[in-house]
Amino acid sequence: AQSVAQPEDQVNVAEGNPLTVKCTYSVSGNPYLFWYVQYPNRGLQFLLKYITGDNLVKGSYGFEAEFNKSQTSFHLKKPSALVSDSALYFCAVRDRYGNNRLAFGKGNQVVVIP
Amino acid sequence: DVKVTQSSRYLVKRTGEKVFLECVQDMDHENMFWYRQDPGLGLRLIYFSYDVKMKEKGDIPEGYSVSREKKERFSLILESASTNQTSMYLCASRDDRYSSYEQYFGPGTRLTVT
Repeated sequence: AQSVAQPEDQVNVAEGNPLTVKCTYSVSGNPYLFWYVQYPNRGLQFLLKYITGDNLVKGSYGFEAEFNKSQTSFHLKKPSALVSDSALYFCAVRDRYGNNRLAFGKGNQVVVIP
Repeated sequence: DVKVTQSSRYLVKRTGEKVFLECVQDMDHENMFWYRQDPGLGLRLIYFSYDVKMKEKGDIPEGYSVSREKKERFSLILESASTNQTSMYLCASRDDRYSSYEQYFGPGTRLTVT
């Protein structure tokens, strides 16, 4: 079964500094990988995905993520954090073949300090 | 834009009551999902459906059932609500036919069982 690890419960970063949210995954085959963001009392919003092709994928709000197959990682990055980026971030993985399910990590609370 | 709506944002029910949570999507998606979200546990899959009248158990189906009589609507039923079912419930839909793969989430229903 697929699984995701997000090792840090909370990430604190100063406004204007680079933001990184870490994610490692486990699947039996090749993965589909996703990042979602959740603002308070809201549902999850899709940020970006890796399906195939270029390992660096760009998404909404200036975020990007790099797929690293050898390290089974898909870290989310933003060059310059904004206070409005403060939210809960979820990494998710799905096995490319057969399994219909998306496995989510526990989430990372990002706090951007003005 | 895909829209996923949930019948209530906040719900308060008593122990033992039968509770219905409704989810509607407007994009003819085949797949629909119910998750619960609890702090520190991330999103856990309760049930999903890949077609009308079809359903599969997720990771935590105990105490829940689902119904999908029409393609656009997926209902989650708590047969006899208990306090440990107090949680945020999130519905999602997904269409794999056009290689999009991402799931679209509703705003969530925060259920309190007293």
